[in-house]
Amino acid sequence: AQSVTQPDIHITVSEGASLELRCNYSYGATPYLFWYVQSPGQGLQLLLKYFSGDTLVQGIKGFEAEFKRSQSSFNLRKPSVHWSDAAEYFCAVGAPNDYKLSFGAGTTVTVRA
Amino acid sequence: KAGVTQTPRYLIKTRGQQVTLSCSPISGHRSVSWYQQTPGQGLQFLFEYFSETQRNKGNFPGRFSGRQFSNSRSEMNVSTLELGDSALYLCASSPDWSNEQFFGPGTRLTVL
Repeated sequence: AQSVTQPDIHITVSEGASLELRCNYSYGATPYLFWYVQSPGQGLQLLLKYFSGDTLVQGIKGFEAEFKRSQSSFNLRKPSVHWSDAAEYFCAVGAPNDYKLSFGAGTTVTVRA
Repeated sequence: KAGVTQTPRYLIKTRGQQVTLSCSPISGHRSVSWYQQTPGQGLQFLFEYFSETQRNKGNFPGRFSGRQFSNSRSEMNVSTLELGDSALYLCASSPDWSNEQFFGPGTRLTVL
C-alpha cells in the first residue's frame, strides 16, 4: 500500500522568500503524485500533479514540484511567497486502478510580513 | 461550470443518531470519492464510486456506507454516530479518479 510522509508540520516563511515543502512517498512503482492546498474552512484545491514524463511539474499560483524517483520525493517549491500562500498543504499519492488517494499529514505554512 | 456541492454544510447530531450527507459532482464527472478529515487522523479515504459501482473502500467500520445514483450524485450515511465521527467530510469528483479531483467545501459534522 502506498503512503506519504510530510516531515514538516509547520513552516514559517517571510513574504518574498522562497518556500520548499517536503514530501516522501512509499510505493513500489511510479505513483500518481499530487499537491493540494487548503485554506481555513475550505475544501482542497489542486496545485499540481505528476503522472509520468518530465519530472519538473509546473502548477498554479507559481508553484512547481520535482519528482525524484531515487529519493522517493516530490517536493513543492515556490520562488517568492505571497501572504495569500498561508494555508495548509497536502501531498497525496495514488496508484493505478486503486481508486483512492493517500494523503500526508499536511504542512501548515505561515507567512510573516 | 458549477463546482462540487455538498449539503448540508454544517450538521449537529447526537450520539446514536444517523446522518446522510449529499454530494453533487461537477456535470459530466462520473467518479465521486469521499474523505474524512480530522485533526488527529488527517485525511482518510472512505470510498470511491464510478457509474454507481463502489470500486474501493477505506478502512472504516460498516457504520459508514455510501451510494451513487445514475446521475452521479452520491450520498454517504453514517449510522449509530459516535463522538469520534465528528469531522469534516469532503467529497471529490473527477471524470475518472486518477484525473484531477475537484473537492467540494465539505460538510462539518459535529456529534454531541
